[in-house]
Amino acid sequence: DTEVTQTPKHLVMGMTNKKSLKCEQHMGHRAMYWYKQKAKKPPELMFVYSYEKLSINESVPSRFSPECPNSSLLNLHLHALQPEDSALYLCASSHPGTSGRAIDEQFFGPGTRLTVL
Amino acid sequence: AQSVSQHNHHVILSEAASLELGCNYSYGGTVNLFWYVQYPGQHLQLLLKYFSGDPLVKGIKGFEAEFIKSKFSFNLRKPSVQWSDTAEYFCAVREAAGNKLTFGGGTRVLVKP
Repeated sequence: DTEVTQTPKHLVMGMTNKKSLKCEQHMGHRAMYWYKQKAKKPPELMFVYSYEKLSINESVPSRFSPECPNSSLLNLHLHALQPEDSALYLCASSHPGTSGRAIDEQFFGPGTRLTVL
Repeated sequence: AQSVSQHNHHVILSEAASLELGCNYSYGGTVNLFWYVQYPGQHLQLLLKYFSGDPLVKGIKGFEAEFIKSKFSFNLRKPSVQWSDTAEYFCAVREAAGNKLTFGGGTRVLVKP
């Protein structure tokens, strides 16, 4: 299984809602990532988890809250988002290597297309 | 901080034409280099990667790339494109000692049948 799955595929939410995005992989990868991709732009890194610990936070606003409950799952909790947060949210995973460094390519999921009204 | 530049934002060509997409990065240390492709409506897929060794790497679907360390470049090539190569292509760079992947701005390629 070389697949990263993400749910839901589409999400529409109001600015006062609380929602969560989910990501799952069964490749034994111990590094997982959240990216944000705006239309016609490259993916931008948001968070990196390595061995279930948050290792990189790219100065993301606190209305985005990541969680890695186990080595296969990654969540992104959303609260009080703004319309400009509308984007495609991508999850990825990779082997982190024994020192916690990524030693292989990242595998990407299909993304969740988020619209904030 | 490292940066990645893809000089061509849009490329339009006919089937059977040759394709070359430029990628330059700014980082003085050891890097890992990648080309990803995003077909319309599909997720990012790896075309090829360079970690070390032979600087000419071959990937899937007839693509290849050449790492030229002195030029900080990792250009993607395909000798003869097909209509199905219509997609957006992203160059990405990672410091060999890190987890952070930095993407270039992407190149939209349209192959006319």
